[in-house]
Amino acid sequence: GAVVSQHPSWVICKSGTSVKIECRSLDFQATTMFWYRQFPKQSLMLMATSNEGSKATYEQGVEKDKFLINHASLTLSTLTVTSAHPEDSSFYICSAHLDREETQYFGPGTRLLVL
Amino acid sequence: GENVEQHPSTLSVQEGDSAVIKCTYSDSASNYFPWYKQELGKRPQLIIDIRSNVGEKKDQRIAVTLNKTAKHFSLHITETQPEDSAVYFCAASVRWDQKVTFGTGTKLQVIP
Repeated sequence: GAVVSQHPSWVICKSGTSVKIECRSLDFQATTMFWYRQFPKQSLMLMATSNEGSKATYEQGVEKDKFLINHASLTLSTLTVTSAHPEDSSFYICSAHLDREETQYFGPGTRLLVL
Repeated sequence: GENVEQHPSTLSVQEGDSAVIKCTYSDSASNYFPWYKQELGKRPQLIIDIRSNVGEKKDQRIAVTLNKTAKHFSLHITETQPEDSAVYFCAASVRWDQKVTFGTGTKLQVIP
């Protein structure tokens, strides 16, 4: 099956700093990628839809100035958590859809801990 | 927007027994219903999906049923094995390439 990677797999940062997370589709092109957040023992919540070459679409309640999304190429989307705070600590997962299989593949996730 | 409810939140079964997880959704425009298995600290893995043009789909020990009129769908796992233990999420979407709304999850424990 198709592979979606994320980097880094985990990151620890100090409160107030910014963290960039990369999501790559390794063997296919993805015009659309999705970013989810998952708190411990909870479900995945969609944060935003990342569109190649255009602005991301954010879900209600998600601050676009805090969670910056850039989808500069057909294989890469980045999520930057700006001025991170402890409440931003979570598991961030991206997904990308593969046209030929009509399905979405998830990345392995990035665990963020803000101290 | 779409709201997906899932029951039960936890489920314990003896190895070899069947497990059933049920979900309901609110948006009648939803046509794609995937099910994911997530092991601790790992990514969700698609295990089966169903589209609104069919009422049932089976893949070995796993089957899904869909009732569009009632807006509910279910996952059935037969002959459960310890490696089936994980958290299972149902989800709904308008299309397979659109954003997905997840259910709240079911933690399945298969007791050897």
